[in-house]
Amino acid sequence: EVQLVESGGVVVQPGGSLRLSCAASGFTFDDYAMHWVRQAPGKGLEWVSLISWDGGSTYYADSVKGRFTISRDNSKNSLYLQMNSLRAEDTALYYCAKDMAVRGFAYAFDIWGQGTMVTVSS
Amino acid sequence: QSVLTQPPSVSEAPRQRVTISCSGSSSNIGNNAVNWYQQLPGKAPKLLIYYDDLLPSGVSDRFSGSKSGTSASLAISGLQSEDEADYYCAAWDDRLNGVVFGGGTKLTVL
Repeated sequence: EVQLVESGGVVVQPGGSLRLSCAASGFTFDDYAMHWVRQAPGKGLEWVSLISWDGGSTYYADSVKGRFTISRDNSKNSLYLQMNSLRAEDTALYYCAKDMAVRGFAYAFDIWGQGTMVTVSS
Repeated sequence: QSVLTQPPSVSEAPRQRVTISCSGSSSNIGNNAVNWYQQLPGKAPKLLIYYDDLLPSGVSDRFSGSKSGTSASLAISGLQSEDEADYYCAAWDDRLNGVVFGGGTKLTVL
């Protein structure tokens, strides 16, 4: 079964740091680019970041650029999001999602995890 | 404010047809593929339409997508109560170098 499972979401104070993880299974992880997408409570979807299948290329939304770092470990079938200098507006459910193109970029997310909740509050 | 513009809500009766619009610009919809997602209450989003008008395996053919210029549309025919959900359009934006989403449209089946 193709599956993505996120973890690492907690309550953190403003200015704090957090690392989210996403464990992939059921597909050849190192053939696909991966994304993080977030959804604030009661709000719409917001794309956060993208990493290529080999980790060589990364892209970020302006709202997180310079504060968040996406990475992956293909030997562990895992995706990560290092989040620094967290703000209240980063409070959201964070989803990892698989790009549907093989060793390319379709920017279409065909597999999603169930999400992990990050709350930034003092 | 979202880069792609969708109506906040639409409603229609069962068995009828509804369309959801998504308006963008030359840097996103005008030059890149549009994808649509369905998010049922309390669930993760699901890919509904990709590359403007293609259906992923397992998605009902009651759903269809189209694009013209800098606008795209999602059509749902034969509406059913289980279609009640939030629907989002998305596309790569060449100027922002990122994926942009519409604000989402809440579909109510009357």
